Amino acid sequence: KQEVTQIPAALSVPEGENLVLNCSFTDSAIYNLQWFRQDPGKGLTSLLLIQSSQREQTSGRLNASLDKSSGRSTLYIAASQPGDSATYLCAVDTGANSKLTFGKGITLSVRP
Amino acid sequence: EPEVTQTPSHQVTQMGQEVILRCVPISNHLYFYWYRQILGQKVEFLVSFYNNEISEKSEIFDDQFSVERPDGSNFTLKIRSTKLEDSAMYFCASQTYPQGTQYFGPGTRLTVL
Repeated sequence: KQEVTQIPAALSVPEGENLVLNCSFTDSAIYNLQWFRQDPGKGLTSLLLIQSSQREQTSGRLNASLDKSSGRSTLYIAASQPGDSATYLCAVDTGANSKLTFGKGITLSVRP
Repeated sequence: EPEVTQTPSHQVTQMGQEVILRCVPISNHLYFYWYRQILGQKVEFLVSFYNNEISEKSEIFDDQFSVERPDGSNFTLKIRSTKLEDSAMYFCASQTYPQGTQYFGPGTRLTVL
């Protein structure tokens, strides 16, 4: 059974810092990995999707990498801003029917 | 930009009552999903739906749950007899093709009293 872990559960950094959020998964037989952002009480906003054949994806200040064989992904946020404060979730797609298995998320706080 | 919408945003119901949660997926998407998130816990897969039938369901999705696409735009989740433990945020998601990006709606917060 696929398990997705995100450690630490919470992170607080000063504005302007570059940071890395980690995600690990137990079964390397994945189709893709998706990073989401969730604001309190809100839905999930897709940030990046990395297919299993890819090593990384970039969108603006965000860069996600994938090492399938070691069961790891990282989300790099450059020059963090207070508006980046949210919970960041990673999810892996391991099934033919595209069900996503989620980690619990990392709650990021960027201090002005 | 197209988005997934869900109604209502918050539903309060008494234990044992039936509820229907509604979703309007992005219009050209063909694959539909329901997930739920109990407060403080992980987002959990409930069911996937394609071509008017269930593709896969989790062990949570028992006989009390059903899904339907009654017309070309809506996708619904029905819980026949709600339990206290059904209280959660329910998210609908849609996708153009398998293994593509899943786009999530804002969620319906279900509170069972």
